[in-house]
Amino acid sequence: DSGVTQTPKHLITATGQRVTLRCSPRSGDLSVYWYQQSLDQGLQFLIQYYNGEERAKGNILERFSAQQFPDLHSELNLSSLELGDSALYFCASSWTGNEQFFGPGTRLTVL
Amino acid sequence: TQLLEQSPQFLSIQEGENLTVYCNSSSVFSSLQWYRQEPGEGPVLLVTVVTGGEVKKLKRLTFQFGDARKDSSLHITAAQPGDTGLYLCAGPLYGGATNKLIFGTGTLLAVQP
Repeated sequence: DSGVTQTPKHLITATGQRVTLRCSPRSGDLSVYWYQQSLDQGLQFLIQYYNGEERAKGNILERFSAQQFPDLHSELNLSSLELGDSALYFCASSWTGNEQFFGPGTRLTVL
Repeated sequence: TQLLEQSPQFLSIQEGENLTVYCNSSSVFSSLQWYRQEPGEGPVLLVTVVTGGEVKKLKRLTFQFGDARKDSSLHITAAQPGDTGLYLCAGPLYGGATNKLIFGTGTLLAVQP
């Protein structure tokens, strides 16, 4: 158990819909990272928040957004969903920035 | 084009065999990490190598960082079924943000009892 929690575990929705994925970091970690893992692209960095502020952006689509709240939990919002957005979405947290601890992931299926 | 290429992509071996997984790049990395991911779970950090030429051992697993910090290898001695999983290397580019990890293409290992 990494100490990082993610909800929900599974999410099935339709194209065009909007969903929110939730992540609670390990106690004491200020940074939260979001990743997308698909069969063809592997594990791709989306975005990082540090203590409530956006710190780094990766390959995140404009239809996707994230935020980190004062209690340090984070949410990833995915809108106008497409079939190709089906993937595993992971949240990770860290204290040092270099070593990240991953949550169990949310499996998103877009039908 | 992936910045970190892993080989082999798939590996199926018998319990007790030895194996090596490679992680290669044309770019220099500040450090490299190895993760193992089991089905339905998130990646779990195994080790971080920081210095060129560094070798780290974790029980039956030996990790090496290349002298030029462009490649790394993971050697498993006497593999066991519990070693089964997806092995991922990852690291921040040298001179880049240390918080932006680039992940390798992955090696899926299956150890048959």
